[in-house]
Amino acid sequence: EPEVTQTPSHQVTQMGQEVILRCVPISNHLYFYWYRQILGQKVEFLVSFYNNEISEKSEIFDDQFSVERPDGSNFTLKIRSTKLEDSAMYFCASSDGGSYNEQFFGPGTRLTVL
Amino acid sequence: GQNIDQPTEMTATEGAIVQINCTYQTSGFNGLFWYQQHAGEAPTFLSYNVLDGLEEKGRFSSFLSRSKGYSYLLLKELQMKDSASYLCAVRGPNFNKFYFGSGTKLNVKP
Repeated sequence: EPEVTQTPSHQVTQMGQEVILRCVPISNHLYFYWYRQILGQKVEFLVSFYNNEISEKSEIFDDQFSVERPDGSNFTLKIRSTKLEDSAMYFCASSDGGSYNEQFFGPGTRLTVL
Repeated sequence: GQNIDQPTEMTATEGAIVQINCTYQTSGFNGLFWYQQHAGEAPTFLSYNVLDGLEEKGRFSSFLSRSKGYSYLLLKELQMKDSASYLCAVRGPNFNKFYFGSGTKLNVKP
């Protein structure tokens, strides 16, 4: 069964450093998403991506964040200068955009900023 | 703004039925989703409602009333493996933006 994969599973970084979180969406999907979930808190939408451009973004997704689809399979989230409060689980999701717009989530990358 | 409310935690007995409610106030609405999330794992899709009424899917059913800004998820014949958090999410006026509630942690006891 096709699935969304994410690497790394856990990333530890120093405050101020840049990190890139990687995702491989399901191959025939067209819509891609990044979410974050701070430990014990709710899932928060960051950004959606369609047709090689950002479709929607939240207030959290400021200039420190960027997304890219560098090739036909990867979808990346870059945080330019990490802050302590960026520590969270980051989930990638993809969808084929059908009537249910069912999103399939990857297993997540736990980001720890020290 | 967007506001989605769910009870924080519920407890139910194996074999029983439980109803998890979700109320929402959003500036626009294009569907409501329910996800299951086991501790330390990713959310998995359970159901989707965009029109009023009940959608049934095996042991899980979801109901929507758009005029009341209200949905519920009904789980029947509870099993121990149903112990998880259940997340209510609303798709807003912009088709590709989603708002999640804080989730309801369901504890199923023997």
